[in-house]
Amino acid sequence: DAKTTQPPSMDCAEGRAANLPCNHSTISGNEYVYWYRQIHSQGPQYIIHGLKNNETNEMASLIITEDRKSSTLILPHATLRDTAVYYCIVREGFSGGYNKLIFGAGTRLAVHP
Amino acid sequence: DVKVTQSSRYLVKRTGEKVFLECVQDMDHENMFWYRQDPGLGLRLIYFSYDVKMKEKGDIPEGYSVSREKKERFSLILESASTNQTSMYLCATLGSGSSYEQYFGPGTRLTVT
Repeated sequence: DAKTTQPPSMDCAEGRAANLPCNHSTISGNEYVYWYRQIHSQGPQYIIHGLKNNETNEMASLIITEDRKSSTLILPHATLRDTAVYYCIVREGFSGGYNKLIFGAGTRLAVHP
Repeated sequence: DVKVTQSSRYLVKRTGEKVFLECVQDMDHENMFWYRQDPGLGLRLIYFSYDVKMKEKGDIPEGYSVSREKKERFSLILESASTNQTSMYLCATLGSGSSYEQYFGPGTRLTVT
């Protein structure tokens, strides 16, 4: 299973871009990179995922390096409501309907005024 | 929007009691999951189900059982609750197709005294 490494915590000023890094050096060719976040006392929330190309949606952008060994989640204009734990996850391959996501410790992002 | 609901947000039970945690989803998703979340340990998969009456063990099934009699409902059962099962329990669903984002419920914080 491909593992991920993330910094335990980061700070960001409100209105600035938050760039959250993730290393996944053992990722295999058919594995996607997923990002989730968990705001305090709530269930995790899906943000974005990608395979090779950079992706953008209404919440964030995902930049994946060409060798796919690392990625960066970008929140372009962080708000106080973006304060959460952010999880970078590499999805295991499909196996008879079993699509397990392995959640690590994540990065605790604190957005301050 | 996908909606995943859990029967209780907070629950207090005594050691030895039988505990039922219910999860209901309204999106006709085939796959449903039960995780527990503990400080420093992240999310750990207890059981999952990819179809009605089908179940598979996750990483930490000991002390738990599950039931899926209807597609929209997935129950987690603690046959005889113990204090080490005090935790946050999270239910998640996943549809079939190319996009594998899981949708989580709000969680049930269970305390066993």
